[in-house]
Amino acid sequence: DTEVTQTPKHLVMGMTNKKSLKCEQHMGHRAMYWYKQKAKKPPELMFVYSYEKLSINESVPSRFSPECPNSSLLNLHLHALQPEDSALYLCASSQLGTENTEAFFGQGTRLTVV
Amino acid sequence: AQTVTQSQPEMSVQEAETVTLSCTYDTSESNYYLFWYKQPPSRQMILVIRQEAYKQQNATENRFSVNFQKAAKSFSLKISDSQLGDTAMYFCAFMKPLHNKFYFGSGTKLNVKP
Repeated sequence: DTEVTQTPKHLVMGMTNKKSLKCEQHMGHRAMYWYKQKAKKPPELMFVYSYEKLSINESVPSRFSPECPNSSLLNLHLHALQPEDSALYLCASSQLGTENTEAFFGQGTRLTVV
Repeated sequence: AQTVTQSQPEMSVQEAETVTLSCTYDTSESNYYLFWYKQPPSRQMILVIRQEAYKQQNATENRFSVNFQKAAKSFSLKISDSQLGDTAMYFCAFMKPLHNKFYFGSGTKLNVKP
């Protein structure tokens, strides 16, 4: 199983809503990532979890709240978003260490904030 | 800081022909990993090929090969016998071992024409 599964695939939310994005992998990877991708742009790193602990936060606004409940799951809680937060949100996972360092990506959640 | 530059925003190639995508990077590290990822319209980022900086031999994966010039900090991707399914955005990426942070270039949109 080399899949990273993201749900939902599409999400439309109002600026006052609270929603969550979910990501799951069963490859035994101990690093998990959230990326934000605008159209025709490269992915921008938001958060990295290593061994279920937040290791990198790229100065992301607090309206985005990540959570890693266990080694297979990664959530991104959304609250009071702005229209400019509309984007593709990608989850990825990888091994930790010097070997097998490739990141496996999910298909993303297309988020629209109205 | 690491930077990755892809100077070709868009390229076209005829089916069955060969095309080369360029990537340069800037780093003071001696050991690192380089990747080419493909993102088709389906949105999922898929690993095309990986190169370890300490290996002098250029990586190959079937129709895909790289020209890795460490001194010049250049990492180009050659696609032979281009197929319609190769149409996608291609991102060059850099990663330091144990750092868990991928730096992506701005991407090259490749169109394979029948």
